[in-house]
Amino acid sequence: EAGVVQSPRYKIIEKKQPVAFWCNPISGHNTLYWYRQNLGQGPELLIRYENEEAVDDSQLPKDRFSAERLKGVDSTLKIQPAELGDSAVYLCASSLGGQRGNTIYFGEGSWLTVV
Amino acid sequence: AQSVTQPDIHITVSEGASLELRCNYSYGATPYLFWYVQSPGQGLQLLLKYFSGDTLVQGIKGFEAEFKRSQSSFNLRKPSVHWSDAAEYFCAVGLTGGGNKLTFGTGTQLKVEL
Repeated sequence: EAGVVQSPRYKIIEKKQPVAFWCNPISGHNTLYWYRQNLGQGPELLIRYENEEAVDDSQLPKDRFSAERLKGVDSTLKIQPAELGDSAVYLCASSLGGQRGNTIYFGEGSWLTVV
Repeated sequence: AQSVTQPDIHITVSEGASLELRCNYSYGATPYLFWYVQSPGQGLQLLLKYFSGDTLVQGIKGFEAEFKRSQSSFNLRKPSVHWSDAAEYFCAVGLTGGGNKLTFGTGTQLKVEL
């Protein structure tokens, strides 16, 4: 069974440019997460979806970040415009249901460098 | 607020030696605890998790962890480390409130000397 798939794996952009990351969760997983991992740190939650509804986006910088999960499957995370401080790994994850304790499976991440 | 502390940023062990990675948590209720491993350029892979019951939890790749409520700890152990275990290890706690969210520690980078 395929795991969480993310693309692109690597992206280098100039500051003020837009960038988008795509995620396809494990089949049947209705809960999808976007995490950001800064260098030398653990991942931090940006947004969590239950099906197509964003149920927790309190940590998403809404002035420049946006996300969508149309049809409750794939998801896209966008940054516009990117800033130098946005350089990080963006991890998508999914779980079977949003109940506390369900195992969260992570993708390999999208590595963003803003120059 | 919930938090996770991994006191050791870097640890170096010799291949074949035993390993213990420390994790302390701050949590107001019964915690859900996890250990993940991240190899260079890869995503996070779940090693093991603790929800309730037996406080000694077995995971993949020969790892185990012991939940000690009195010490607010969930340390990861392996009796004999292999060179392929070199990676970064993250401890995480499941948060209270609605939904399934994890708070991660800052990670411990493991180096294995041959």
